[in-house]
Amino acid sequence: GAVVSQHPSWVICKSGTSVKIECRSLDFQATTMFWYRQFPKQSLMLMATSNEGSKATYEQGVEKDKFLINHASLTLSTLTVTSAHPEDSSFYICSARDRIRNTEAFFGQGTRLTVV
Amino acid sequence: GENVEQHPSTLSVQEGDSAVIKCTYSDSASNYFPWYKQELGKGPQLIIDIRSNVGEKKDQRIAVTLNKTAKHFSLHITETQPEDSAVYFCAASMSAGNKLTFGGGTRVLVKP
Repeated sequence: GAVVSQHPSWVICKSGTSVKIECRSLDFQATTMFWYRQFPKQSLMLMATSNEGSKATYEQGVEKDKFLINHASLTLSTLTVTSAHPEDSSFYICSARDRIRNTEAFFGQGTRLTVV
Repeated sequence: GENVEQHPSTLSVQEGDSAVIKCTYSDSASNYFPWYKQELGKGPQLIIDIRSNVGEKKDQRIAVTLNKTAKHFSLHITETQPEDSAVYFCAASMSAGNKLTFGGGTRVLVKP
């Protein structure tokens, strides 16, 4: 149990376009999901906390108008990178917290975004 | 906010030897300290975690120690195997399931 799936696993897009990344909790409900970004050979940095039915909370320095987060259901959060630029190329990873069990948040497998 | 420092950044050990990675944190309110293993191109995988009411926890070849007074915690891997080669991250959080602050990572190479 406790599977978190991200889609797509990798995506290549042109500069100026938008790309959407999905994060799904497959066998549990998640009121809270977290979005992290990881540049090559660096650590994971929290971008935002996504709460079902309410606005996301963004970390300092993360542009909320560029990284749109929607958490419309208890099993799905989406991250849309708008007007992508090459510097947005990164590994985006989500994690989801089980609504009922007091356990760690479970990570997805990540999405590799390359902007050309 | 929380700040987590991790050392060393790279660690090379001979197969069968032990590996130790150390982390320090700044926020005394942190109570949950997980360790993750990340292989290339994959998401982080939880390998062990410890809560602030415990000083040590062990799971087969892996152990974690926590010193809340000094604000540091360590990962110990014994009898290392080539498949232990990966990047390891420590992290700190207010509680399990809350947002995590990660250390900088340690690239571990186990030489056969």
